[in-house]
Amino acid sequence: AQSVSQHNHHVILSEAASLELGCNYSYGGTVNLFWYVQYPGQHLQLLLKYFSGDPLVKGIKGFEAEFIKSKFSFNLRKPSVQWSDTAEYFCAVNAQGSARQLTFGSGTQLTVLP
Amino acid sequence: SAVISQKPSRDICQRGTSLTIQCQVDSQVTMMFWYRQQPGQSLTLIATANQGSEATYESGFVIDKFPISRPNLTFSTLTVSNMSPEDSSIYLCSASGTVKGGQYFGPGTRLTVT
Repeated sequence: AQSVSQHNHHVILSEAASLELGCNYSYGGTVNLFWYVQYPGQHLQLLLKYFSGDPLVKGIKGFEAEFIKSKFSFNLRKPSVQWSDTAEYFCAVNAQGSARQLTFGSGTQLTVLP
Repeated sequence: SAVISQKPSRDICQRGTSLTIQCQVDSQVTMMFWYRQQPGQSLTLIATANQGSEATYESGFVIDKFPISRPNLTFSTLTVSNMSPEDSSIYLCSASGTVKGGQYFGPGTRLTVT
C-alpha cells in the first residue's frame, strides 16, 4: 500500500521568503506524484504533477517540485512567496500507469505574513 | 481539465437521516472517485464509482452506509445513510479522464450532522 508523509504541519513565512515543503512517499513500484493546493474557502486545485522524464517539474503560480527517486521525495518549492500563497498544500501519489485513486499526505498549512 | 460541480454545497442534517450528494462533470471521464475530508484532516478515499457496475469501496467503508451510483460517464451520486455526528465532514467528488491528466476535484459538500 502507498503512504505519503508531509512532515511540516504548519509553516509560517514572511512575504518574499523562500518555501520548501517536504513530501516523502512509500510504495514498492513506480508512482505518479502530485501537489494540490486548497485556498481558504476554495476547492482543491492541482498545482503540479510528475509522471516521468525531467524530475524537476514546474507548476502554476511559480511553484516547482523535484522528484528525487533515491530519497522517495517530491518536495515543493517556491523562491519567493506571496501573501496570496496562504493555503493548505497536499502531496499525493498513485501507482504509475493508473488513473486510480490518490493517496494523500496529511497536508501542510502555509501562512504567509504580509 | 474537467470542471466538476457538486450539490448541495452544504447541509445540516439530523441523526438517522440520509443525504444524497450529486457530482456532475462537464465532460466524459474514465474514473470518478469519492473522498472524505474530516475536520483538520487529509483526504481519505471512500470508493471508486464505476460506470454501470457496483462501486469499489476502500477498507472501512461499506455499500450499506455509502451507496454510490454512476449511471453514465459524467454523473455520480454518493448517499450518506443513517447519519451520525461522526459523519460530519466534507465529501469530495473527483474525476480523471486520462492516466496523465491528474485528478480534478469538485468544490465539496460540507455536511454537519446534529
